[in-house]
Order: sequence, then C-alpha cells, then structure tokens
Amino acid sequence: SQQGEEDPQALSIQEGENATMNCSYKTSINNLQWYRQNSGRGLVHLILIRSNEREKHSGRLRVTLDTSKKSSSLLITASRAADTASYFCATVAPGAGSYQLTFGKGTKLSVIP
Amino acid sequence: ETGVTQSPTHLIKTRGQQVTLRCSSQSGHNTVSWYQQALGQGPQFIFQYYREEENGRGNFPPRFSGLQFPNYSSELNVNALELDDSALYLCASGRVGTDTQYFGPGTRLTVL
Repeated sequence: SQQGEEDPQALSIQEGENATMNCSYKTSINNLQWYRQNSGRGLVHLILIRSNEREKHSGRLRVTLDTSKKSSSLLITASRAADTASYFCATVAPGAGSYQLTFGKGTKLSVIP
Repeated sequence: ETGVTQSPTHLIKTRGQQVTLRCSSQSGHNTVSWYQQALGQGPQFIFQYYREEENGRGNFPPRFSGLQFPNYSSELNVNALELDDSALYLCASGRVGTDTQYFGPGTRLTVL
C-alpha cells in the first residue's frame, strides 16, 4: 500500500522557475526521503530528512518536514530541463529497517526550455 | 549512476511461467532489497536480504521468492506469473546501519 501522496500529480514549469512538490503521509516516521526517476528507470536518492529535523538543503534542493501535519515539501530552485523527471517521497517507519521504503505515487515534473 | 546493475533489461513471459531476475549490488554493500513498480505507481517493497536470509517482507505472496549470494548479488524469482505481475522490478543495495538505498536501472517484465 502507498504511504505517501504527492501533490500535484503533474507539474509543468518554465526553465529557471522554482518547482514545489508536496508529500503527505499517514503514520509516524523515522525519516522521509525524496527520490528522482527518469523515464521509468532507476531511482536516484536526492535527500533524506529525519523526523527531528525541520529543513534540509542540498544544492538547489530544499526539503521541509512538518511531522505535526505529516507532510513534507521539496523545492527545486532555478529549474533546468534536466530536472524533468518523476519525483517520489518515501518514508521509513520507526523500528523498520532502513531498506523498507514506503513510496507515494509521485509527481511528474516537466521543465520546458 | 549507481554501481547497482540488473539483468535483463526487458523480459516478456506468458501467464503461468516462472521468471528469474538478477541484481548485482554496489561494491561494499551487504543488503539488497527488491521493489515492484506498476505503471503510474510508486515502487512497492517486496523483500530484503541480509546475510543470505530474508530479513523483511512486504505484502507479496510466497510465489515471490529470492536469493542472496555470498558476493551479495541477488535473484528475484516469481512463479506462476499473473498478468498483474507486469511491472518494473527494481533492486536496491545498501549497508546495514545506513539509511540510503542505491537503486539499479530495473527490469521491465511484461506478462502476456
């Protein structure tokens, strides 16, 4: 079953604009991770945020986590055509192995040159 | 690009057949997990192997089974294939005690 729900399902923006994707989840978590997937191929790990953290940055990526609302957001600044991909949030439950990721359905991002 | 490889890239089978998918873990990793991703969906956890034993399983029937070898490569076996088994199968490797999984490019299985 899916734990997370990404919003929106699809997003189309112009190159240079910022892209924001949201993720909501249902149960408590140990950490939340964001992944990128190009054209139905393998997933690439982008960033991990732990349940006791509120915000993390990595290059052009900014992730926030609100455990009281059970939600997270991923912001990609100054988007590029190469950012076109599907983005998934994945949660790890407390006590679960770090391998047991529960994914949402993803947001499909299109960046128009 | 991660150091995780999978074979074959694509596979077509008919209902009722059996299939074996293979995964080679990234060097230095000792865990391997398998995920099923149906079209338009997020990946779903099948199971994980550590020290050659199954160490966690998702909501998948016993006809999904696996092996991990001493060199940390892995196989996913699916018996009695059903149409709904058509999906992208992803393996991911990692190290015990760390949080990051490294995914391979996947095997796309089509069941006719």
